[in-house]
Amino acid sequence: QKEVEQDPGPLSVPEGAIVSLNCTYSNSAFQYFMWYRQYSRKGPELLMYTYSSGNKEDGRFTAQVDKSSKYISLFIRDSQPSDSATYLCAMSGVDSGNTPLVFGKGTRLSVIA
Amino acid sequence: KAGVTQTPRYLIKTRGQQVTLSCSPISGHRSVSWYQQTPGQGLQFLFEYFSETQRNKGNFPGRFSGRQFSNSRSEMNVSTLELGDSALYLCASSSAGGSSGANVLTFGAGSRLTVL
Repeated sequence: QKEVEQDPGPLSVPEGAIVSLNCTYSNSAFQYFMWYRQYSRKGPELLMYTYSSGNKEDGRFTAQVDKSSKYISLFIRDSQPSDSATYLCAMSGVDSGNTPLVFGKGTRLSVIA
Repeated sequence: KAGVTQTPRYLIKTRGQQVTLSCSPISGHRSVSWYQQTPGQGLQFLFEYFSETQRNKGNFPGRFSGRQFSNSRSEMNVSTLELGDSALYLCASSSAGGSSGANVLTFGAGSRLTVL
């Protein structure tokens, strides 16, 4: 079992839809949970991160962490064609200087106008 | 503020050759990490350097090596290239120097290596 599992998609939604992207993980030591977005021919860029459990909102994006279920989610409200990209979850332990980020394989999202 | 710069962006090599990829981190960032990205395996951690010392290493064969210079610039080398080494190699820098806190990585655009 990989440490981080992420459905690769592809996921196709109409413009304005609410998108839900998810990852599960097996390592209970993970404390930092991040979401990166990667456009074609670009490197990943950080969208947001959370520490431990709970929710975090940034504009149209909301990240949720449920440590009891080892499950994290990213919600995108009012999705736009510009949101079309691959979304990668990433995690690390609290001792982040000594434990590298572990990434999911990414979910490819297409938002159709 | 300039981002993470990787060179070259694209390169084609043949099996058995070696390749060196370069990465210039964001000014002031002392940590540089390298990842390999393939469609089948996603992003896999290669190694991380901090202040010229390898701090972490992923599960890759010894053909993959790296180093970091005093100005924080980093290089990675792959020797005796195999077809399976074809991938996007991503470099990321971070300001995180201590052992705690979120290790937020800023990635470069990557070097796409094709091995024929």
